[in-house]
Amino acid sequence: DTGVSQDPRHKITKRGQNVTFRCDPISEHNRLYWYRQTLGQGPEFLTYFQNEAQLEKSRLLSDRFSAERPKGSFSTLEIQRTEQGDSAMYLCASSPEGDRAYNEQFFGPGTRLTVL
Amino acid sequence: AQSVTQLGSHVSVSEGALVLLRCNYSSSVPPYLFWYVQYPNQGLQLLLKYTSAATLVKGINGFEAEFKKSETSFHLTKPSVHISDTAEYFCAVSDRNYGQNFVFGPGTRLSVLP
Repeated sequence: DTGVSQDPRHKITKRGQNVTFRCDPISEHNRLYWYRQTLGQGPEFLTYFQNEAQLEKSRLLSDRFSAERPKGSFSTLEIQRTEQGDSAMYLCASSPEGDRAYNEQFFGPGTRLTVL
Repeated sequence: AQSVTQLGSHVSVSEGALVLLRCNYSSSVPPYLFWYVQYPNQGLQLLLKYTSAATLVKGINGFEAEFKKSETSFHLTKPSVHISDTAEYFCAVSDRNYGQNFVFGPGTRLSVLP
């Protein structure tokens, strides 16, 4: 399978713990996005990488959240001191070079986070 | 700022019926518009997109959508739905002049009944 993969698919944690999610984009895609999706809502943009550079961050991304994409390949999203409000599906997407607004984004299956 | 509204959070239709899922957008410049489908426990998959080439856009699985600038709408239709079309459908907008990020609507859950 050459699509976007995410690991783990599910994560249950206790409030105050740190969690880290991984995303492996489609190999030839240099753009990578993270979104958060809560129940009954559409995905909300969190952050965007072009190669290894994090070029944009939403104000939804509080200082407890950090994302990296070393070497421009896989990416990690870490949430420190998790809160119950962080419970959501975290989606990763990638897209190829070209017009960012025009190009289709390819989504992974998501990581569902539950904070108890 | 861009925004997307999808009227009807849940639509139920019988198998074989026509379905219309509504999407209205706001954008200060001509937008790009997308419809994505999300099947249970799967990621979002692109159904179709409007990029100003033609106002009637045909996508996968028999879906199509029509861009109407005067109504700021991009409604999704399928003449005859199948039970396998049961899923969540999301409309999204983007444009070059505002952040280039996709802004998604809240989604419409489609249930196709036998």
